[in-house]
Amino acid sequence: EAQVTQNPRYLITVTGKKLTVTCSQNMNHEYMSWYRQDPGLGLRQIYYSMNVEVTDKGDVPEGYKVSRKEKRNFPLILESPSPNQTSLYFCASYNRDSYEQYFGPGTRLTVT
Amino acid sequence: AQSVAQPEDQVNVAEGNPLTVKCTYSVSGNPYLFWYVQYPNRGLQFLLKYITGDNLVKGSYGFEAEFNKSQTSFHLKKPSALVSDSALYFCAVSGIGSSNTGKLIFGQGTTLQVKP
Repeated sequence: EAQVTQNPRYLITVTGKKLTVTCSQNMNHEYMSWYRQDPGLGLRQIYYSMNVEVTDKGDVPEGYKVSRKEKRNFPLILESPSPNQTSLYFCASYNRDSYEQYFGPGTRLTVT
Repeated sequence: AQSVAQPEDQVNVAEGNPLTVKCTYSVSGNPYLFWYVQYPNRGLQFLLKYITGDNLVKGSYGFEAEFNKSQTSFHLKKPSALVSDSALYFCAVSGIGSSNTGKLIFGQGTTLQVKP
């Protein structure tokens, strides 16, 4: 089954404590991205990657890092989380042939 | 700059009645338009897309949408609503062009409430 997985699904942490949210896809897609969802704002792109070792900033990259060492994995790293990064995060994988994005189940992050 | 607007935060409709969720967009060039649905505690699910061709596109679960270039709109419709259609709906646009990165610009979302 084609899918995008994320872990953890829920995370409560404290300000400044580094964390990583993992993302993996099994569809061999080159393009992956991270979005955050906030009420009234829809989803906004944080970072994206067009292939292994190729990453670039999206619309709201401040406070985040990513890496793409393998095609299937695209982790999101918060080096020093702050309360304004409390949000719902989605990883997505893109099929260039069908123009469709496949989204993971989401990670709800709370930073206190 | 590309943008998407969903003018209604919430749409209420009775089961069995037709429903419309509105979306307008602003993008240079030819837009690629999408609708996604989000059920509680779930990720986003693809409903339908407009890339080219017929302005009326049909998608999953009986939903359809009409691309109107002159009004820059892409409203989501369903002839007969079900209680199970209650969810959060997102319109999104992608000005893909030659790079085909697939980056999506989302509207703010519209909550659809279908009452029995």
